[in-house]
Amino acid sequence: SQQGEEDPQALSIQEGENATMNCSYKTSINNLQWYRQNSGRGLVHLILIRSNEREKHSGRLRVTLDTSKKSSSLLITASRAADTASYFCATETSGTYKYIFGTGTRLKVLA
Amino acid sequence: NAGVTQTPKFRVLKTGQSMTLLCAQDMNHEYMYWYRQDPGMGLRLIHYSVGEGTTAKGEVPDGYNVSRLKKQNFLLGLESAAPSQTSVYFCASRRHPNQPQHFGDGTRLSIL
Repeated sequence: SQQGEEDPQALSIQEGENATMNCSYKTSINNLQWYRQNSGRGLVHLILIRSNEREKHSGRLRVTLDTSKKSSSLLITASRAADTASYFCATETSGTYKYIFGTGTRLKVLA
Repeated sequence: NAGVTQTPKFRVLKTGQSMTLLCAQDMNHEYMYWYRQDPGMGLRLIHYSVGEGTTAKGEVPDGYNVSRLKKQNFLLGLESAAPSQTSVYFCASRRHPNQPQHFGDGTRLSIL
């Protein structure tokens, strides 16, 4: 399978804590994106990081990218109950316009 | 501005039947994608298009066909539905490379 891997598969934390999830991939990439999916809904784009970038911030989100290790991490700071969702990474393979998605991390934030 | 709209939202088919899923976007995006999502598998790319009149195979294209006759529409066809095609299907579009994808709300398809 070409799919990327995310860990942990599931994460349960208290409101106010930070949540970190990791993504590993197999190919050279143009960019890596993180998406959120609430139960029964489509995916919502969170942040895009290009292959020549190492870190990016957006509000409470911080994404890092290590192309030498083919890995990325998503940090959500000061989590809220509304952050409860599944989070997916997606990589755009170099030389193509195709995306490969990770298997996802299910985050539960307890109030 | 509706974004990406998928039709229908739900459908139940019998094995061997055919159907077409419609994806429409009103953002003038060049690139469009069809994915399927199965439990524990994340999203897998079925077919994609880099512009009007073009299509290309993704990771799991067997049993599906697509067409992009108009820039705003991307159709996914199941020629002879099989139970293994029971899934949630998502369409996405984006304007350019290094731009995010915009997703529809999905079509839940069950094949009995």
